[in-house]
Amino acid sequence: EVQLVESGGGLVQPGGSLRLSCTASGFTFSSFRMHWVRQAPGKGLVWVSLINSDGSNTNYADSVKGRFTISRDNAKNTLYLQMNTLRAEDTGVYFCTRDYLGLGYWGQGTLVSVSS
Amino acid sequence: QSALTQPRSVSGSPGQSVTISCTGTSSDVGGYNYVSWYRQHPGKAPKVVIYDVTERPSGVPDRFSGSKSGNTASLTISGLQAEDEADYYCCSYAGNSLIFGGGTKLTVL
Repeated sequence: EVQLVESGGGLVQPGGSLRLSCTASGFTFSSFRMHWVRQAPGKGLVWVSLINSDGSNTNYADSVKGRFTISRDNAKNTLYLQMNTLRAEDTGVYFCTRDYLGLGYWGQGTLVSVSS
Repeated sequence: QSALTQPRSVSGSPGQSVTISCTGTSSDVGGYNYVSWYRQHPGKAPKVVIYDVTERPSGVPDRFSGSKSGNTASLTISGLQAEDEADYYCCSYAGNSLIFGGGTKLTVL
């Protein structure tokens, strides 16, 4: 069974940092492109970042470019999102999702709250 | 990177059909056959119901169908059921990135 489990969310002050993790199981993690998608409270889905299967290609939404870094460790079946210089508008649930047949599998998300 | 345009809400009675539109540009919806649709119930993760414009994942009933014309994609749900009441999001590939629509709340009357 495919599973994606996010962790690392929490409450952080503006300007602070967090590192999110997404642990994958039930499939060959190293074969799939992965994405982070976020959802502010009561708002819609917003794409944040992608990384290809071997980590050689990454891209970011303009709103996080230069502040967030996506990476993966295929030996540990884990996707990461390093988030620096956090702002209040970064608050929301962050989902990791596997790119195959659309975004075919999603984790349950981890909540990031940026507030003083 | 403006969001794709979706109606904020649609509604229909059980057994009826509804269509949700998703309008983008030639750089996203119109430029690629990689439009997908997601259903999200409150407090839950999104679930794909259509990918690659018209394809249904295994397990999604054939009441769900997708199409595209120019820069506008559409999701049609026929034979509405109570469980279809949810938020629906379109998503398009946009050249090494993705872009989502703003979401549509479907109410089953």
